[in-house]
Amino acid sequence: DTGVSQDPRHKITKRGQNVTFRCDPISEHNRLYWYRQTLGQGPEFLTYFQNEAQLEKSRLLSDRFSAERPKGSFSTLEIQRTEQGDSAMYLCASSKRQDFSGNTIYFGEGSWLTVV
Amino acid sequence: KQEVTQIPAALSVPEGENLVLNCSFTDSAIYNLQWFRQDPGKGLTSLLLIQSSQREQTSGRLNASLDKSSGRSTLYIAASQPGDSATYLCAVSSSGGSYIPTFGRGTSLIVHP
Repeated sequence: DTGVSQDPRHKITKRGQNVTFRCDPISEHNRLYWYRQTLGQGPEFLTYFQNEAQLEKSRLLSDRFSAERPKGSFSTLEIQRTEQGDSAMYLCASSKRQDFSGNTIYFGEGSWLTVV
Repeated sequence: KQEVTQIPAALSVPEGENLVLNCSFTDSAIYNLQWFRQDPGKGLTSLLLIQSSQREQTSGRLNASLDKSSGRSTLYIAASQPGDSATYLCAVSSSGGSYIPTFGRGTSLIVHP
């Protein structure tokens, strides 16, 4: 069990550029979540996958955001035409499918995005 | 829509004190509740998970309780240490839906020597 891995850890980009973050979940975890967190706030839900299917998206996920999880393994979160308001930490988490045992959710170290 | 509130927002205590951090939620139909720790600039580390059928969980100096009927959970930290300094976050997964965890804003804890 190597934990949830995120890459890159830090990204500085100019406004208008596209950025992509990658998340590798814990193996055999079929649920994968993306959250966004700004300073002094708790994580806010963006989207989640059950295997390769994207089952829910938050209203925070504008048309400039897209997430994929091909083959139910790693996931990518792409932000197109970045804006300064996109500056935040993007957190990925994974868990086994929720069942009556109430599975723990494990987070990665996050990817910091600064848009200048 | 589930809303999660954590009180206090910040706490500064001397080493050795016993602490209580509070988490309240608006919808009592929960699936589970999880407490996390977050160090500055880092991801979240799971501390304790309480299922809806449980009333408390313990791990070392940490004890978390759950009262679904009143919509509250508390995290008790015994004999606090400077290494406990971090932000503590509460996340609630609601039942009857997709079980997506909803987070509070956290309690920022400083334990000074």
